[in-house]
Amino acid sequence: EPEVTQTPSHQVTQMGQEVILRCVPISNHLYFYWYRQILGQKVEFLVSFYNNEISEKSEIFDDQFSVERPDGSNFTLKIRSTKLEDSAMYFCASSETGETNQPQHFGDGTRLSIL
Amino acid sequence: GQNIDQPTEMTATEGAIVQINCTYQTSGFNGLFWYQQHAGEAPTFLSYNVLDGLEEKGRFSSFLSRSKGYSYLLLKELQMKDSASYLCAVDDSWGKLQFGAGTQVVVTP
Repeated sequence: EPEVTQTPSHQVTQMGQEVILRCVPISNHLYFYWYRQILGQKVEFLVSFYNNEISEKSEIFDDQFSVERPDGSNFTLKIRSTKLEDSAMYFCASSETGETNQPQHFGDGTRLSIL
Repeated sequence: GQNIDQPTEMTATEGAIVQINCTYQTSGFNGLFWYQQHAGEAPTFLSYNVLDGLEEKGRFSSFLSRSKGYSYLLLKELQMKDSASYLCAVDDSWGKLQFGAGTQVVVTP
């Protein structure tokens, strides 16, 4: 079964450094998402992306965050200057269409640790 | 504001039935999803409801009442592998999922 893949599985970065998290969505999917989950807390929506544009973003997704689809397969999340509170599991998800009955399929996540 | 509430933890015996309730108050509603999440892993899709009523999918069923802002996930014939966190999520704006904190289900022999 096709799946969403994320790399790396674990990223350790010094505070203030830039980090790029990478995702390869399922190949025929058109809608892409990033979520984060701080340890012991709920999954939180960050951003949705369609047709090379951000569709929606949350208050968490401030100017330090950006997303890009640099080619036909990758979808990236960049955090420009990381803070300690950015430490979390970051999940990428994709769905075939934006129709509400289409489930979002999640990748295994990247655990980001900021030192 | 957004509010999605579900119990923190439930314990049940192998072979039994467990019902996980979820109540929600969100600014929009385009459907309610249930996901399963094993520790350290990705959420995996279980079910979707947008109309009132029951959706059945093998051992798992999900119910929705939009007027009450209420849903439940029913797990039948529990197996040890069903021990996981179950996440209630509301699509409040065309794909923007708002998640509850999750209900940890512990299945005992």
